[in-house]
Amino acid sequence: EPEVTQTPSHQVTQMGQEVILRCVPISNHLYFYWYRQILGQKVEFLVSFYNNEISEKSEIFDDQFSVERPDGSNFTLKIRSTKLEDSAMYFCASSTSGGWGVETQYFGPGTRLLVL
Amino acid sequence: AQTVTQSQPEMSVQEAETVTLSCTYDTSENNYYLFWYKQPPSRQMILVIRQEAYKQQNATENRFSVNFQKAAKSFSLKISDSQLGDTAMYFCAFMKRRSGGGADGLTFGKGTHLIIQP
Repeated sequence: EPEVTQTPSHQVTQMGQEVILRCVPISNHLYFYWYRQILGQKVEFLVSFYNNEISEKSEIFDDQFSVERPDGSNFTLKIRSTKLEDSAMYFCASSTSGGWGVETQYFGPGTRLLVL
Repeated sequence: AQTVTQSQPEMSVQEAETVTLSCTYDTSENNYYLFWYKQPPSRQMILVIRQEAYKQQNATENRFSVNFQKAAKSFSLKISDSQLGDTAMYFCAFMKRRSGGGADGLTFGKGTHLIIQP
C-alpha cells in the first residue's frame, strides 16, 4: 500500500540554524500539507500546497518557514533560523483532492525536530 | 474559524468492552468532513474513520463507528470489542469542503488518550 515517507526521522539542530525536512507524498496525490505537534499538544496545521504554490497557511507559518516541491516527488519544509519553540514533531500529509471531492489526508511518520 | 473540542483527556476500559469517545465542533460551514485519527506511541497519525457532513448515514469501519449529529455538532467515535492495540491518542478533526480548487488544513481537537486494560 502506498504511503507518505519523511526524512529524517529525527533531527537535532542548534538555535539559529536552517533545517530542511523532506517528504515524499503518495505518487498520485496532488495536495500536500505540513503540520506540527509540540510534545503533549494537539496537531496544528501549517500550510497546504497545490499546483506548485501555497494554497492556505496558518498564522504559525511565518516568514521563517517556506515550502517547495523541488522535483516530481519531494515536498520540503524549510525553517530558516530555528528557535527553541520550533522543537516539535513535523508531519507531512497528502491527498488526492483538496476538499471538493472525496477527501482524506494520509500522514507520514513524522520528523522529530529538537532545537538546542 | 473552526474549533474542535474533545472533553475527555483520558479514558480507560477493559479489553473487549465498548468505549465511546466524544467530540464536538463549532463551525458556520454547512459542507465539511470529519475524521478520527489514531496516534499510537510511535506517533504516526493513522486514519480511523471519515464522515462527510452531507451524508446522514453514520460511517462504520469494522469495529469503529461514529454517531454524527449535525444539528448538535457532535461526532463521537465508538469502538466495539476493544483490543490492546487500540491503546493510543485519538484525535477528532474537521475540514471544510471546498467548492473549487485549493486545499484547507485539518483542525484537530486536543485528543483523548485511550488505554485498553488487559
